[in-house]
Amino acid sequence: AQTVTQSQPEMSVQEAETVTLSCTYDTSESDYYLFWYKQPPSRQMILVIRQEAYKQQNATENRFSVNFQKAAKSFSLKISDSQLGDAAMYFCAYRTNFGNEKLTFGTGTRLTIIP
Amino acid sequence: GAVVSQLPSWVICKSGTSVKIECRSLDFQATTMFWYRQFPKQSLMLMATSNEGSKATYEQGVEKDKFLINHASLTLSTLTVTSAHPEDSSFYICSAKSGANTGELFFGEGSRLTVL
Repeated sequence: AQTVTQSQPEMSVQEAETVTLSCTYDTSESDYYLFWYKQPPSRQMILVIRQEAYKQQNATENRFSVNFQKAAKSFSLKISDSQLGDAAMYFCAYRTNFGNEKLTFGTGTRLTIIP
Repeated sequence: GAVVSQLPSWVICKSGTSVKIECRSLDFQATTMFWYRQFPKQSLMLMATSNEGSKATYEQGVEKDKFLINHASLTLSTLTVTSAHPEDSSFYICSAKSGANTGELFFGEGSRLTVL
């Protein structure tokens, strides 16, 4: 079974600075998706960024980018120019591309933005 | 992006009663929906996979007779918590897969259940 590990329960960053959230995963598959989801206090899950395993290029979405290291099974999220609205729980998630397409989530990292 | 509506957003019920939560895909058809449960300050745990027109697939340890799932149409899945007890109090979140092969799942707003 796949597992997703987020080793940082909490992180904080000064507003306008850059922060990196870590995520590692374990799988025997070669084709899969990785995601970062944001869960603000409203509890609505919001997709931040998506990475397809067969793509070597790291995904970027405006201020958000990932460092995808497939061999190391690492998938970190970098948030540049942090803003107060970035404060939330961030979950790393894995999804196989075969059969059941359920998401497996990590335990989450609570990000605090310091004004 | 695709919109998933989940209702009610919060519900309080007495112990022993049943509660139904609806998950609707508003602008796309979802052959597969997923139901998650989230305890305070914890991650989302998959409860079951809901497939339109067939029985749901439950994760290990989830009581299928307690958490009834029905996916009667391509836009609606329901989760019924039967004979609810205080330990069933939690945040329940549904997600739906669109037909496009983007890998993305779209989430509802969640439903907070409190059983007194």
